[in-house]
Amino acid sequence: KAGVTQTPRYLIKTRGQQVTLSCSPISGHRSVSWYQQTPGQGLQFLFEYFSETQRNKGNFPGRFSGRQFSNSRSEMNVSTLELGDSALYLCASSFQRQGSNTEAFFGQGTRLTVV
Amino acid sequence: GQQLNQSPQSMFIQEGEDVSMNCTSSSIFNTWLWYKQDPGEGPVLLIALYKAGELTSNGRLTAQFGITRKDSFLNISASIPSDVGIYFCAGQLAYSGAGSYQLTFGKGTKLSVIP
Repeated sequence: KAGVTQTPRYLIKTRGQQVTLSCSPISGHRSVSWYQQTPGQGLQFLFEYFSETQRNKGNFPGRFSGRQFSNSRSEMNVSTLELGDSALYLCASSFQRQGSNTEAFFGQGTRLTVV
Repeated sequence: GQQLNQSPQSMFIQEGEDVSMNCTSSSIFNTWLWYKQDPGEGPVLLIALYKAGELTSNGRLTAQFGITRKDSFLNISASIPSDVGIYFCAGQLAYSGAGSYQLTFGKGTKLSVIP
């Protein structure tokens, strides 16, 4: 069974640009969450999607957005990039069904560098 | 918001020694998860805990879900060089397939093993 797949693995962007990151969850998993990891702030929750709907959102500005498609694949977008957006962006998927366990499995992440 | 205090921040131990780390929270969680992260990679799930008081093992790893639901600890016995990495605790409110899948992370414990 394939794990969580994130593309691309590495990105270099210029301030002011926008970027789109992609995440394919584990087959059968319907919940996808995104996290930002930086040395200073650690792992911070961005948002969670289930069945194409955003269920939960962290404390990030509106420049951070996401969406989920009918096949559960998800994308996140960051517009008007700032230097402080440089981070490892992680996607996690969970199998959600009543009575099931809730553990989240992570992808390898996308390393975004803003210059 | 919820915060997790994870300690210690870093540890240097001799190969073969046992390791213990813990997390405490200002509020309760329904699920505790422990992850290990290697440089440049995503966190890998080690152990998931679902019931207060639960003690679960995975090879040389043992973790417990505190009875107050506000804390958890992870023990590693007979450490080996490949145990090197950063260990994260994470709390989750989701239970039995329902509720928020958002994870709140500790800041991590960086483990170094001296051969």
